[in-house]
Amino acid sequence: NAGVTQTPKFQVLKTGQSMTLQCAQDMNHEYMSWYRQDPGMGLRLIHYSVGAGITDQGEVPNGYNVSRSTTEDFPLRLLSAAPSQTSVYFCASRPLGLAITNEQFFGPGTRLTVL
Amino acid sequence: KNQVEQSPQSLIILEGKNCTLQCNYTVSPFSNLRWYKQDTGRGPVSLTIMTFSENTKSNGRYTATLDADTKQSSLHITASQLSDSASYICVVSATSGNTGKLIFGQGTTLQVKP
Repeated sequence: NAGVTQTPKFQVLKTGQSMTLQCAQDMNHEYMSWYRQDPGMGLRLIHYSVGAGITDQGEVPNGYNVSRSTTEDFPLRLLSAAPSQTSVYFCASRPLGLAITNEQFFGPGTRLTVL
Repeated sequence: KNQVEQSPQSLIILEGKNCTLQCNYTVSPFSNLRWYKQDTGRGPVSLTIMTFSENTKSNGRYTATLDADTKQSSLHITASQLSDSASYICVVSATSGNTGKLIFGQGTTLQVKP
């Protein structure tokens, strides 16, 4: 199993550009989520999904869109990049089931810089 | 407000020495607490989970403790190795249905020097 994969690993954008961060998992996990990690702060939840066709907002959703057309894929779209979106982005997945005790599996991250 | 505070923010120790990382939380209702290890340039990986009824749990050279009364947890690393250099993140789960809520600490950065 590849686990959780993310592409690209690094990306530089200009202010106003749009792009999609890709995330895929091969563990058949129902729950997938996107976080951003900024220096000196804990990971913050952007959006999450409990299954195909179902998405919801997290703590910091503004400026980001998500969709979940399949169990495996959960792309994150930046609509109009801003310097405040410079961050490291992590995708994570876990099974539902016992839910809150289930371990989350994180991808390797995408380091995004917005100029 | 649900919060997770970790200390120290960073730590440098010599290889072979022990160290203890702290996590204080104000999360209600509490479900469980996980410690993650995050190597540079990688995603976090779970080290151990502590539930309400557990006081101590070991995973190799890592030992986690939980005091649910004082809302404190610690991660003790014994006989440190260079590969222990990483960020250690404390994550507390608040019980809330099937999705729940995870509150992340800001992490402690550990550097082990030869």
